[in-house]
Amino acid sequence: QQQVKQSPQSLIVQKGGISIINCAYENTAFDYFPWYQQFPGKGPALLIAIRPDVSEKKEGRFTISFNKSAKQFSLHIMDSQPGDSATYFCAANRNGNEKLTFGTGTRLTIIP
Amino acid sequence: ETGVTQSPTHLIKTRGQQVTLRCSSQSGHNTVSWYQQALGQGPQFIFQYYREEENGRGNFPPRFSGLQFPNYSSELNVNALELDDSALYLCASSPGLAGGSDTQYFGPGTRLTVL
Repeated sequence: QQQVKQSPQSLIVQKGGISIINCAYENTAFDYFPWYQQFPGKGPALLIAIRPDVSEKKEGRFTISFNKSAKQFSLHIMDSQPGDSATYFCAANRNGNEKLTFGTGTRLTIIP
Repeated sequence: ETGVTQSPTHLIKTRGQQVTLRCSSQSGHNTVSWYQQALGQGPQFIFQYYREEENGRGNFPPRFSGLQFPNYSSELNVNALELDDSALYLCASSPGLAGGSDTQYFGPGTRLTVL
């Protein structure tokens, strides 16, 4: 019940296109859903996060869409740039319990 | 940069040895969590410390142990190293329950190689 499933495993998008990464969770007690970006040899960096009281959150080119009934959430990267090429992880945890459960990651490559 | 630092950057050990990894939390953060990230995988939760007490543990054997100090810096100790312990070890700090935030800020990690 602690799993977070992430897809696709890898994604290639042309520069200027929209990158979409999907995650699904099982534990209905989860109430915080962050996305992390990780470059090779670096630690994960928080990109954007959402709580289930809203269905969408946008920060610049990055948008999280959240569907509580389906227990799914997704990351949309608009106008994707070569600098966005990295591995992206979705994660989830419960309020008051900060242990994060991570997805398996998506390697995103933006081609010119 | 998150303000979370880890040392050393890289470490090579042989099977059966012991290792200590260190983490300095972001200023004002009283909670530190440790994660193990195997190559090509997502981080896996090892344990968390809140105000010097263990506050949750993942599915890792007792040979993985930790400490948090009064200044909220932390250590991860691994005894009797096994080849499968080769991974990137990540430390993450957060304001904790009192801070009202679940946001965790990760350090750059320590790459451990066990030969």
